[in-house]
Amino acid sequence: EDKVVQSPLSLVVHEGDTVTLNCSYEVTNFRSLLWYKQEKKAPTFLFMLTSSGIEKKSGRLSSILDKKELFSILNITATQTGDSAIYLCAVTFSGGSNYKLTFGKGTLLTVNP
Amino acid sequence: DGGITQSPKYLFRKEGQNVTLSCEQNLNHDAMYWYRQDPGQGLRLIYYSQIVNDFQKGDIAEGYSVSREKKESFPLTVTSAQKNPTAFYLCASSIRTGSGANVLTFGAGSRLTVL
Repeated sequence: EDKVVQSPLSLVVHEGDTVTLNCSYEVTNFRSLLWYKQEKKAPTFLFMLTSSGIEKKSGRLSSILDKKELFSILNITATQTGDSAIYLCAVTFSGGSNYKLTFGKGTLLTVNP
Repeated sequence: DGGITQSPKYLFRKEGQNVTLSCEQNLNHDAMYWYRQDPGQGLRLIYYSQIVNDFQKGDIAEGYSVSREKKESFPLTVTSAQKNPTAFYLCASSIRTGSGANVLTFGAGSRLTVL
């Protein structure tokens, strides 16, 4: 069964800390891995990763994919209270004639002042 | 501005009633999706459609139905056959590519509560 596992499921840190969120996957015919941030309602896109070893970076957030070990990490440096959210990892894989997107359960990050 | 509009934002219904959630997009995206989100469960795919007049079941389609008569619209009906319908429902859309590397754009969601 194809699956996406995120860890930890929840995390509480103080402002200024650095956090690392993990996403491992077991899918056949992998195509891409995506990270989303969900603060209240609509998840917003952060990164899409398709190649191993190439870091994607946006401000204090960065992410990298390891296709050999089947995982990705999302790093957030100098965390702020505005980083508090659910972080979702999703993997696209091909299933027959269609592409499917499977989400992990998410990591709930709480950043305290 | 382009985006996805879901309505209503909040909905209450009695057991045994069908309810339809609306999803409209003006992004000119080919593919549209419905997800259900429960606490601690992440997002689970209900139905998806890659082209008008065609749709496929996702992982938890039982008790739900959809239609895709127009490119812009992908309504979801939660039927009385759905045993546990109280949840947060998210609609999304994407450009259909041949590579499978599709970025989904999400609506703001509809929260359904069954009384």
